Amino acid sequence: KQEVTQIPAALSVPEGENLVLNCSFTDSAIYNLQWFRQDPGKGLTSLLLIQSSQREQTSGRLNASLDKSSGRSTLYIAASQPGDSATYLCAVRPQAAGNKLTFGGGTRVLVKP
Amino acid sequence: EAGVAQSPRYKIIEKRQSVAFWCNPISGHATLYWYQQILGQGPKLLIQFQNNGVVDDSQLPKDRFSAERLKGVDSTLKIQPAKLEDSAVYLCASSLTSTVYEQYFGPGTRLTVT
Repeated sequence: KQEVTQIPAALSVPEGENLVLNCSFTDSAIYNLQWFRQDPGKGLTSLLLIQSSQREQTSGRLNASLDKSSGRSTLYIAASQPGDSATYLCAVRPQAAGNKLTFGGGTRVLVKP
Repeated sequence: EAGVAQSPRYKIIEKRQSVAFWCNPISGHATLYWYQQILGQGPKLLIQFQNNGVVDDSQLPKDRFSAERLKGVDSTLKIQPAKLEDSAVYLCASSLTSTVYEQYFGPGTRLTVT
């Protein structure tokens, strides 16, 4: 059974500092991994999707890496801003489960002005 | 392009009452998902539809939860009777097909059972 873990559960940084968010998964047989952002009381917004054949994906200040063999992904957010405060969730699509997403518990980020 | 719509946004009920949530997916999306997100946890898939057929309902508590997607578009999720532990955000998502296409999420319905 695929399990996804995100540590730490919460993180607080001063504005301008780079953010590093970690995600680990137990079964390396995945189609892809996706990072989402969730603001309080809102749904999920997709940030980056990394295919299993890729090592990283970039979008603006965001960069996500994937090491499938070790079951790890890292989301980097450069030069954090107060607007980056949110919960960040990673999810994997196991190869044996079609389009079913398995989520981690999320990391709640607070960027202090 | 309109996103996934859900209603109501918030609902408070007493235990043993019933409640229903509604979801309208993105136009043209064949696959629809219902997730349950308990506070402090990641979303957990309850049920997945492909058009109006159920693909996966392995984690749906079938003694109290039911869902339907009669015309392959809108969907409703019902809880009867509700328990305290059903307090959560219920998220609806849709994707173009079921084969590894990106899922788009609605804003969710926050349910509080007292």
